[in-house]
Amino acid sequence: DAGVIQSPRHEVTEMGQEVTLRCKPISGHNSLFWYRQTMMRGLELLIYFNNNVPIDDSGMPEDRFSAKMPNASFSTLKIQPSEPRDSAVYFCASRGSGIQFFGPGTRLTVL
Amino acid sequence: GENVEQHPSTLSVQEGDSAVIKCTYSDSASNYFPWYKQELGKGPQLIIDIRSNVGEKKDQRIAVTLNKTAKHFSLHITETQPEDSAVYFCAASIASGSARQLTFGSGTQLTVLP
Repeated sequence: DAGVIQSPRHEVTEMGQEVTLRCKPISGHNSLFWYRQTMMRGLELLIYFNNNVPIDDSGMPEDRFSAKMPNASFSTLKIQPSEPRDSAVYFCASRGSGIQFFGPGTRLTVL
Repeated sequence: GENVEQHPSTLSVQEGDSAVIKCTYSDSASNYFPWYKQELGKGPQLIIDIRSNVGEKKDQRIAVTLNKTAKHFSLHITETQPEDSAVYFCAASIASGSARQLTFGSGTQLTVLP
């Protein structure tokens, strides 16, 4: 298995633009998590899904952030409009057999 | 909710020495404690985990101990090597339904000096 796949790996955009981050979980995993990592706040859980259903989105910072999981093999995290303070590394993780596996992350820079 | 504290935030050791990282958690219902290693530019990778029904687990040079009464757990790395240099995160979780939500510590930057 290729592991959790995220795209793009790097994204540079200007303030006010829409950003979409993509994730393909490991096949067979039924839980998917989105995290944000910054130096100041460390690893923060934004939202997680179980069987494609959002379970807890209390970590989503603002209404500018939204996440979807239309099927078991794909999820998106969207920021609209983006702001410089959204600059961070965003990780997707999926869980199987009780273990959470992380993707390589998307480094987002909002100018 | 759960709160996980991790110490120290930075740790430097000489190659061949041991390294110990400690974490405490707040919710006595937590029953799963993984440790992740994050190398520069990569996502966190699970290196070892322990469940609340055991007090210690070992995998080659890495061991984790758990004290449920005191609500703390530790990562021990023996015979450290330069490739052990990375950021290490502890985490704790409560099984909630069928999705296990992890609460992470703030991380420890381990540097192994050659």
